[in-house]
Formats: sequence, C-alpha cells, structure tokens
Amino acid sequence: QVQLVQSGAEVKKPGSSVKVSCKASGGTLINYPITWVRQAPGQGLEWMGGIIPIFGTTNYAQRFQGRVTITAGESTTTTYMELSSLTYEDTAIYYCARESSGTGEGWFDPWGQGTLVIVSS
Amino acid sequence: SYELTQSPSVFVSPGQTASITCSGHKLGDKYASWYQQKPGQSPVLVIYQDSKRPSGIPERFSGSNSGNTATLTISGTQAMDEADYYCQAWDSTTAVFGGGTKVTVL
Repeated sequence: QVQLVQSGAEVKKPGSSVKVSCKASGGTLINYPITWVRQAPGQGLEWMGGIIPIFGTTNYAQRFQGRVTITAGESTTTTYMELSSLTYEDTAIYYCARESSGTGEGWFDPWGQGTLVIVSS
Repeated sequence: SYELTQSPSVFVSPGQTASITCSGHKLGDKYASWYQQKPGQSPVLVIYQDSKRPSGIPERFSGSNSGNTATLTISGTQAMDEADYYCQAWDSTTAVFGGGTKVTVL
C-alpha cells in the first residue's frame, strides 16, 4: 500500500522560495496524479495544483499560477512542489496526496504527513 | 469561481446522528468527496464518489449528493468521530474544498 512521505519543516524569509518533496513508499506514483494542498494555521484546506508524474503534465489553481511549480522526479516515485515569492501568508502546512481515481478529477487518498513551512524574517 | 459552503459547526450527542451538509451550484451533477481531519493529523478520506466508503472506514459513515447539496451522515456518532470534516468536488479542472465543519461530540 502506497504511503506518501514528505520532506521536513522549512523556515524561509519573505521573497524566497521553498521546495517540498513527496516520496511514494511501497509503490510508485506512475499512473496516479499527485495533488498539493495547503492549510494555513487554523484555516481550511486549499488546493494548489497537481501533476501526472508519468507525463509531467500539470494543473495549477489560478491563484497560484506563476508562483507554484510542481514537478516529478525521473523515477516517478517523488514529486516536488516549489512556491516562490513567499510572503507571511504562505505560512502553512503543505500536503501532498494521491488522486486515486487516476482521472485527475477524483478523490485524494492517501495523504502525506504534511510539511510545515514558516515564512519569517 | 466555484464555491462549496459548509456550516462551521455541528454538535451531536454520543450515539446520535450527525448530518454535515455541503452546498454548491448543481453540486449533484458532480462527485463529492469527504475528508476527516483530527487535530495535528493529515486529512483522511471517508467518502468518495458521493457515497462510497474506502476500506477501513466504519459503516456509520455514509454520504449522499443531490441537487445543490451533498450530505455526510455519521450514524451512532462516537467520541472518536470528533473532528473537522471537509467536502471536496471538482469544477472543471479545479479542485474545490468546502470551508470545513467542526463536529463536536458532547
């Protein structure tokens, strides 16, 4: 059964970039889209975008267009989410999740453990 | 942009039924999913494709979706069900989450 393991917490300065990884354990992500979702402190879930690793095709939420880049490693077991031009409002837990219908428009299961990104001067 | 609206909170007594609603324009024409999130934990899928339960999710969790409203029902609510619940659907190629409902068992 696939588990998603994310990279560790990050502290970044305003204006910089952060890159978070998401590695599949116990399988590959090859046929399944991976989505990224964030959750600001005390707030709800916000979809950022996704990728189909085998094709490298991406789909981003409009509000993050131009600021987020989601990529897949050559082995297709790891995906990456890079967010640039960080502001204090980007402080959040960032989750990856597998889109399990395989269509790119299904349900998210399983989820990674989350990566805390703190933007602080 | 497409929006999903949830009530902020639901209170339920142990053993009773909790109903959590999610409203959106013609939501019944889309598939709805539901996620449970306990404090300090990642979300967990509890319902997908409106009414299907993933393996390992108790039978007391059920879902429906019609018209403009999707509903997650927890029958015989237990203390362990106290959590935040989020609905989710796709609008074209964009995933949308509801604002979340905090279920308190008291």
